[in-house]
Amino acid sequence: LAKTTQPISMDSYEGQEVNITCSHNNIATNDYITWYQQFPSQGPRFIIQGYKTKVTNEVASLFIPADRKSSTLSLPRVSLSDTAVYYCLVGADSNYQLIWGAGTKLIIKP
Amino acid sequence: DSGVTQTPKHLITATGQRVTLRCSPRSGDLSVYWYQQSLDQGLQFLIQYYNGEERAKGNILERFSAQQFPDLHSELNLSSLELGDSALYFCASSARLAGVYEQFFGPGTRLTVL
Repeated sequence: LAKTTQPISMDSYEGQEVNITCSHNNIATNDYITWYQQFPSQGPRFIIQGYKTKVTNEVASLFIPADRKSSTLSLPRVSLSDTAVYYCLVGADSNYQLIWGAGTKLIIKP
Repeated sequence: DSGVTQTPKHLITATGQRVTLRCSPRSGDLSVYWYQQSLDQGLQFLIQYYNGEERAKGNILERFSAQQFPDLHSELNLSSLELGDSALYFCASSARLAGVYEQFFGPGTRLTVL
């Protein structure tokens, strides 16, 4: 049973900032939040991981409020190549990455 | 390139047959995970091995089995194949890098059962 809830699909346009929110009401104290990206017929690829507040890397930012019951993946200035499925996972250590939800299908339009 | 290799890339077989999928993890990674992804579906975790031993089991059918060998490569055996077994099968290995726990996925094996 997936521990996360995220929108099934989203649309946006090139050059826009895209925010995908994930709900995880039952997050445990030791749980981390991780996002993966998957292109058709390819394996998922790690994007970002965080525990609280804000994490930023070269491709995305992850915002986690104080209660940690949700998180938001932010993709700045998206391009057509960001069209993919994005998965939010919650858990501690290695076990959490065993339960994958349906993901959010992001479509970027020109 | 994730560093995880899977063979073969494509496999076409008939119902009732048996196939073996192979995975080599990234150098140094001890864990191997197997996932099944049917068309337009999410990833279904099948099984995890750590340094040769089964660590966790998901929704793996009794017709499916896996093992991890001393050189850490893994094989997933699928027998008595049914049409519904047609899917992409991914293997992943994992590591903790700079405090982040990450899975690295292979390119997958596309299995078609006719």
